[in-house]
Amino acid sequence: AQTVTQSQPEMSVQEAETVTLSCTYDTSESNYYLFWYKQPPSRQMILVIRQEAYKQQNATENRFSVNFQKAAKSFSLKISDSQLGDTAMYFCAFIRLHTGANSKLTFGKGITLSVRP
Amino acid sequence: NAGVTQTPKFRILKIGQSMTLQCTQDMNHNYMYWYRQDPGMGLKLIYYSVGAGITDKGEVPNGYNVSRSTTEDFPLRLELAAPSQTSVYFCASSTTGGNEQFFGPGTRLTVL
Repeated sequence: AQTVTQSQPEMSVQEAETVTLSCTYDTSESNYYLFWYKQPPSRQMILVIRQEAYKQQNATENRFSVNFQKAAKSFSLKISDSQLGDTAMYFCAFIRLHTGANSKLTFGKGITLSVRP
Repeated sequence: NAGVTQTPKFRILKIGQSMTLQCTQDMNHNYMYWYRQDPGMGLKLIYYSVGAGITDKGEVPNGYNVSRSTTEDFPLRLELAAPSQTSVYFCASSTTGGNEQFFGPGTRLTVL
């Protein structure tokens, strides 16, 4: 079974600064995807970024980038130039690259990020 | 496209009552999912479906049932509601198992 661990329950960052959110996972699979989802107070789940395990290059999406360390099973999210709208809960998630049975996301407990003006 | 829609947004049930949470997607996705999110926790999978007529249990299926008669709809049925089912319920869909899941806005359910 897969597990996803987000050990930091809360973080705070000053507007315009950079913050890194940590995530580790445990799996015996070699083919999988990793995701970071954002959940603002509106409760909507929004995909921030995705990383395919077979790709060595770290994914980037505008101000968001990841540091994917496959051997260490680590998947951290870096938010640059933090904005007030980044205030939200952030979830790390894992899915096996497999169709049919067991094609389901495993989520971490989440981290609450507050961006201070 | 409306994406994934869920009804109702909020509901209060008494212990022992039953209800159905509706979920519809208009993206022609084969895969659909139901999750619950308890306070301060991540989402846990209740049931999922890989296509019309096919459903399977997730991590926490007890007390729930689903059906998938069409590609678009994936209703979640709660029978004999219990306080432990107080949660926020999310429906999601994706093209395949490894791709991005698109989430609905959620239903906040309280069982008293």
